[in-house]
Amino acid sequence: EAEVAQSPRYKITEKSQAVAFWCDPISGHATLYWYRQILGQGPELLVQFQDESVVDDSQLPKDRFSAERLKGVDSTLKIQPAELGDSAMYLCASSGGDRDNEQFFGPGTRLTVL
Amino acid sequence: GESVGLHLPTLSVQEGDNSIINCAYSNSASDYFIWYKQESGKGPQFIIDIRSNMDKRQGQRVTVLLNKTVKHLSLQIAATQPGDSAVYFCAEIRSYGSSNTGKLIFGQGTTLQVKP
Repeated sequence: EAEVAQSPRYKITEKSQAVAFWCDPISGHATLYWYRQILGQGPELLVQFQDESVVDDSQLPKDRFSAERLKGVDSTLKIQPAELGDSAMYLCASSGGDRDNEQFFGPGTRLTVL
Repeated sequence: GESVGLHLPTLSVQEGDNSIINCAYSNSASDYFIWYKQESGKGPQFIIDIRSNMDKRQGQRVTVLLNKTVKHLSLQIAATQPGDSAVYFCAEIRSYGSSNTGKLIFGQGTTLQVKP
């Protein structure tokens, strides 16, 4: 069964350092999402791509976060510089085809900022 | 602000019993609702969805009920098993205008604990 892949699974970094997360969506899925999930809460959308274009990045802290999906397939989310409050699970999801509202989530990257 | 929320942070049930997880939403314009299950260390997994023109939908051991009058959503799990232990989130879709895709808004989550 096709899955969304994410790497790394875990990342520990010190504040003010740069971190990057990678996501490979399910093949053929045009829509890709990055979410942040703070412990004990539901995921919150950071950015949504349709192919290579950004559809919604209203909740992305653009002073330190950036996201790209240059060829409309895999995507990278970057944080520079990382802050203590960025510690969270970063989830990637994708959707497409007939059931475009059904988002398939990857396993996430657990970020700890020290 | 508008949000989707759950009534109880934790629900503990005996194995074999039925479970009911509740959710209240505030945006009457939302037209699509989804229940997700999230196990420890994993991403959310789709369970069942329902459109606003329906009031009930059944899956395998799960039923979702939608009451638009009081903006209430519930997930019923029949014969709860230990493998059902997880955090359950309701989520609503708010469409981007005429787009087929929308913004998924998650609630806080209910932790289901199944006692053997």
